[in-house]
Amino acid sequence: DIQMSQSPSTLSASVGDRVTITCRASQTISSWLAWYQQKPGKAPKLLIYKASSLESGVPSRFSGSGSGTEFTLTISSLQPDDFATYFCQQYNSPGTFGPGTKVEFK
Amino acid sequence: QLQLQESGPGLVKPSETLSLTCTVSGGSISRSSYYWGWIRQPPGKGLEWIGSIYFTGSTYYNPSLKSRVTISVDTSKNQFSLKLSSVTAADTAVYYCARHSGLGPNNAFDIWGQGTMVTVSS
Repeated sequence: DIQMSQSPSTLSASVGDRVTITCRASQTISSWLAWYQQKPGKAPKLLIYKASSLESGVPSRFSGSGSGTEFTLTISSLQPDDFATYFCQQYNSPGTFGPGTKVEFK
Repeated sequence: QLQLQESGPGLVKPSETLSLTCTVSGGSISRSSYYWGWIRQPPGKGLEWIGSIYFTGSTYYNPSLKSRVTISVDTSKNQFSLKLSSVTAADTAVYYCARHSGLGPNNAFDIWGQGTMVTVSS
């Protein structure tokens, strides 16, 4: 099974900050990685697929990069609506999610 | 637009079978090339993919749950369903249904239901 890890587990930031979250896979997954945003009591929302492709309707301040085993999600300028938990997911074989990164107010 | 809605009992007794249904509206399960999946999230924890199905009935299951999971589809009702047998407290979670974003099960989930909480308790 492919295991996913994320760092940090919690990130304290302010509006306007540039934020980077890292996701690592236990074995190579090419670019078969997605990022989701989840707010309390809500379903996850797809932000990025295929490591760097922006889902339709998602603001351009979100971007993804990486391939193989190491990936990053970057929020270029954190907005009030962005305080949430972010999960990565590999969908190479079969589907495994990372443990999540909570972005909270500093 | 396409919407998914989970339904089923919110409370299941230990050792019994959890049964949930996902109703798809705004589009046909059988007129698309998408796979449909179930994901769960225990309270305060991360997400776990349970399994996925195509309208033909072709299924893929998480190996860690495979022995207890059955996913089926009813194209006449535009629904797909989850059965999880021999449940324990560890199966207490919010259960989501979702659509895979492209051809085949090896794709992200782009449309999600709102989720339904299932508690396993006597």
